[in-house]
Amino acid sequence: DAGITQSPRYKITETGRQVTLMCHQTWSHSYMFWYRQDLGHGLRLIYYSAAADITDKGEVPDGYVVSRSKTENFPLTLESATRSQTSVYFCASRGGTDTGELFFGEGSRLTVL
Amino acid sequence: GQNIDQPTEMTATEGAIVQINCTYQTSGFNGLFWYQQHAGEAPTFLSYNVLDGLEEKGRFSSFLSRSKGYSYLLLKELQMKDSASYLCAVMDSNYQLIWGAGTKLIIKP
Repeated sequence: DAGITQSPRYKITETGRQVTLMCHQTWSHSYMFWYRQDLGHGLRLIYYSAAADITDKGEVPDGYVVSRSKTENFPLTLESATRSQTSVYFCASRGGTDTGELFFGEGSRLTVL
Repeated sequence: GQNIDQPTEMTATEGAIVQINCTYQTSGFNGLFWYQQHAGEAPTFLSYNVLDGLEEKGRFSSFLSRSKGYSYLLLKELQMKDSASYLCAVMDSNYQLIWGAGTKLIIKP
């Protein structure tokens, strides 16, 4: 089915380990985003991408790396996980106009021990 | 700085009407979005306002006043399934979304 999917849905890791969260969309949307959601905060933008091979930092990019070699994939890597990166991570995509709605993946719940 | 304010939590009764307010201060304005998020799920789009006034979609309506930096989401004929968090987000001059922390709506029978 068409849509946007994230994996893994749940992940427990230890401080210092590298973790990659995957995001795949089948709509060929140009824009893709990574957000984190924590209690008491709104969704915070980590990185976004306007097209393949184009990525930009968002509000909270430190400690994260992204790539976008193909339009449909936008993985997020935590190079050396820290406890403060325990969060729910949402990938989203947007097609069409700049003011179009976002379509979110189901989320990846990451716990860093 | 940029800021979106909305109440943390609201409680309403099944069948009633509830209004969730959102005030904002942002660098530029390219529209205001409302999303619904059930616990443990992803946000889903509800409405988009870029011009002043009321947009109605079934039981849900969204209002915008750009001069006041104010919006509200109106939910009528509340159902138990409307229990969720409601997220207000403003698109700034760079077409980036600034999100409020969300309003958790509790519906009581």
